[in-house]
Amino acid sequence: DAMVIQNPRYQVTQFGKPVTLSCSQTLNHNVMYWYQQKSSQAPKLLFHYYDKDFNNEADTPDNFQSRRPNTSFCFLDIRSPGLGDAAMYLCATSRLGEGRGTDTQYFGPGTRLTVL
Amino acid sequence: AQKITQTQPGMFVQEKEAVTLDCTYDTSDQSYGLFWYKQPSSGEMIFLIYQGSYDEQNATEGRYSLNFQKARKSANLVISASQLGDSAMYFCAMRENPNFGNEKLTFGTGTRLTIIP
Repeated sequence: DAMVIQNPRYQVTQFGKPVTLSCSQTLNHNVMYWYQQKSSQAPKLLFHYYDKDFNNEADTPDNFQSRRPNTSFCFLDIRSPGLGDAAMYLCATSRLGEGRGTDTQYFGPGTRLTVL
Repeated sequence: AQKITQTQPGMFVQEKEAVTLDCTYDTSDQSYGLFWYKQPSSGEMIFLIYQGSYDEQNATEGRYSLNFQKARKSANLVISASQLGDSAMYFCAMRENPNFGNEKLTFGTGTRLTIIP
């Protein structure tokens, strides 16, 4: 089945220690998104890639970076995690440009990040 | 102002009953899309149903239907014959008229639905 995969599902890191979260997709979608979701809150968009074009949200901290080496993979790098960065990180994909409803975003299972 | 408003933070419903989750939205765009997602305790966001602003008929997907009232700017989710597995957080979201390549979803604050046996 085509899907969005995130690894790892749970990540524990130390305060200030860089961490990388991974997302891959077999849907051949041209857009990939990274969201941060804190407990009992709605997901908050950090940035997204339309093909290779990177779109950063204005309020995304510089501490968060992303890479998309190819269509299938996208990475979220947190350069110096703080306690406030503990959250669920959700990757999503969509396919733009093919008509109504096809821009639906499909999410992966998420990576739950703990910062000690 | 909130673009997506979900006024029910939590709901408790008896198994097998129908349930309506409320969602109102605010936009000045003519072209927009409305989505509902389910998020179980495991954390994955599961797409349920989509309604386009130009769709004349209410969307349906199995036990899910969307009661779309454009003039009132509401897009309520109706779940028929609720099941224990429906217990989850439900998010309403809107995609406003996007610039090509600048797709964004705005989420509401969610409704936590609990189905009682």
